[in-house]
Amino acid sequence: GQSLEQPSEVTAVEGAIVQINCTYQTSGFYGLSWYQQHDGGAPTFLSYNALDGLEETGRFSSFLSRSDSYGYLLLQELQMKDSASYFCAVWGNYGQNFVFGPGTRLSVLP
Amino acid sequence: DGGITQSPKYLFRKEGQNVTLSCEQNLNHDAMYWYRQDPGQGLRLIYYSQIVNDFQKGDIAEGYSVSREKKESFPLTVTSAQKNPTAFYLCASSNRDRAYEQYFGPGTRLTVT
Repeated sequence: GQSLEQPSEVTAVEGAIVQINCTYQTSGFYGLSWYQQHDGGAPTFLSYNALDGLEETGRFSSFLSRSDSYGYLLLQELQMKDSASYFCAVWGNYGQNFVFGPGTRLSVLP
Repeated sequence: DGGITQSPKYLFRKEGQNVTLSCEQNLNHDAMYWYRQDPGQGLRLIYYSQIVNDFQKGDIAEGYSVSREKKESFPLTVTSAQKNPTAFYLCASSNRDRAYEQYFGPGTRLTVT
């Protein structure tokens, strides 16, 4: 089967940098995605890593280490609007399964 | 504008009734998905379809049924057999070879009493 672990909550202040970690177990790993979900809203796609290394998209970056079955989402210059839940999701089983992690609730304080 | 629509946004039903949730997309995506989300939890896959007239069970398919007669539409029926149907239901779609990038509808919040 597939399983993912994320911290349940993270708190940071405006302007700071925060890292949200994700560890996973799966067979036939294809890649790791990140999604953002504001309260009561729909998840929106942030990034995808298939290869080791860092992918940068504006203030958000995502990192993957396939050998460690580990990834993280890095949010820089935090803004109040970044307060949301963040989910990692693994595309595994040779492309047959897509499973979401339990989510990390980020609170950005003024 | 391309996107996914789900209706209604809020739905109330009595126990023992079947209810069908609508999901329509005009993104020309082959694959569509239904997820259930409980308060403070992640998304759990109910059913998915990669092509018209074909669909597969996800992790929590018991008590649910789907159909995929058109590429644009993937309705979900919550049957009376589903023991705990009150939840937030999300529909998504993607290109078949880009399942990692899913586009979500606004969701339907179902309450069964």
